[in-house]
Amino acid sequence: AQSVTQPDIHITVSEGASLELRCNYSYGATPYLFWYVQSPGQGLQLLLKYFSGDTLVQGIKGFEAEFKRSQSSFNLRKPSVHWSDAAEYFCAVAPRYNNNDMRFGAGTRLTVKP
Amino acid sequence: GAVVSQHPSWVICKSGTSVKIECRSLDFQATTMFWYRQFPKQSLMLMATSNEGSKATYEQGVEKDKFLINHASLTLSTLTVTSAHPEDSSFYICSASPGLAGARDEQFFGPGTRLTVL
Repeated sequence: AQSVTQPDIHITVSEGASLELRCNYSYGATPYLFWYVQSPGQGLQLLLKYFSGDTLVQGIKGFEAEFKRSQSSFNLRKPSVHWSDAAEYFCAVAPRYNNNDMRFGAGTRLTVKP
Repeated sequence: GAVVSQHPSWVICKSGTSVKIECRSLDFQATTMFWYRQFPKQSLMLMATSNEGSKATYEQGVEKDKFLINHASLTLSTLTVTSAHPEDSSFYICSASPGLAGARDEQFFGPGTRLTVL
């Protein structure tokens, strides 16, 4: 069955520290891959996406993600976290050539300590 | 960037009543709109996809007669929860895309509507 897993429900990091949020997927073929961020009371904002090509994807707000086919993973990273990065992060996948059937992970809540 | 709004942001209603939630694309024409439901500490679950002027396509397990979706214009879609019951309490999120259903266009998400049914 197709699934998206975010193993970490809640992560706390200190401001200025590095961050890695994990995402694993189970799909028949490599899907499209996305990371979204959701701040309280706001909609989901796309951070970055992977369709094909370079497996290291650069996104907005200093985020990047690396697609690893062998591990079925698409982990999100940031070298230095800012207090404003505190939010809920969702990994999502969609079958190729069909952005409709987007499936989301359960989300990882990021807390940033001063 | 593209902005999608939802109204109301939260609503409380009595069991048995109907509730309408609006989703608007403010600065682009949304050929396709999506409705999701999000339970606490869980994923967003796609409920239905609608193209302007067409009937919505519902996901398996979603009751069409309970969750009425209307996409009457390129900037507005509505979700009506009919005869709401406490189990319908949830966070409903819409998204909009300028592309046709099935395309690779980005979805832009609204802020969500919290529905509580007493």
